[in-house]
Amino acid sequence: TQLLEQSPQFLSIQEGENLTVYCNSSSVFSSLQWYRQEPGEGPVLLVTVVTGGEVKKLKRLTFQFGDARKDSSLHITAAQPGDTGLYLCAGGVYSSASKIIFGSGTRLSIRP
Amino acid sequence: EAGVAQSPRYKIIEKRQSVAFWCNPISGHATLYWYQQILGQGPKLLIQFQNNGVVDDSQLPKDRFSAERLKGVDSTLKIQPAKLEDSAVYLCASSPRDSANYGYTFGSGTRLTVV
Repeated sequence: TQLLEQSPQFLSIQEGENLTVYCNSSSVFSSLQWYRQEPGEGPVLLVTVVTGGEVKKLKRLTFQFGDARKDSSLHITAAQPGDTGLYLCAGGVYSSASKIIFGSGTRLSIRP
Repeated sequence: EAGVAQSPRYKIIEKRQSVAFWCNPISGHATLYWYQQILGQGPKLLIQFQNNGVVDDSQLPKDRFSAERLKGVDSTLKIQPAKLEDSAVYLCASSPRDSANYGYTFGSGTRLTVV
């Protein structure tokens, strides 16, 4: 069974600080996606990375896929209250073209 | 483009009752998924459809859960009879192709409380 572990589970920081969220597994994934989920809503796709070592930037967010395709990180620079939410990583399963499995999430709170 | 529509938004039922959820995916999206998200956890895949055929239902508790996707568009997920541990948010998602690389578009979910 493929599992994705996210750390930390909870993070509360002051506005303007930087942070990194990690997503780790012992399994290899075909792709890695990051979603953000707000209360009462479904997850919203932020980015998909498909190549080992790939780095993508989305404004203040930087996403990296590990060289071995087993892990990923999300770095936020100068966090803002609008970044508050549940961040979920999800890995593409090789045995099934379109199946992804989710990590347990990191709940991020940015204090003004 | 319209998003993934789900209804109802909330449902409260007693254990052993039955309940049904409805999902209308983005027009033209061939692949549809139902996920269960228990409070404090990430979503867990229940069933995946490609057009109107089932691709993966390995994690669907088939003794009480059923799902269908008639004509390859709308889908319904049913629970009968419900148990307390079925309390969760049920999310529907769709994607344009049979590939994880395109990402999923999720609906807002149905929050089910079983009392």
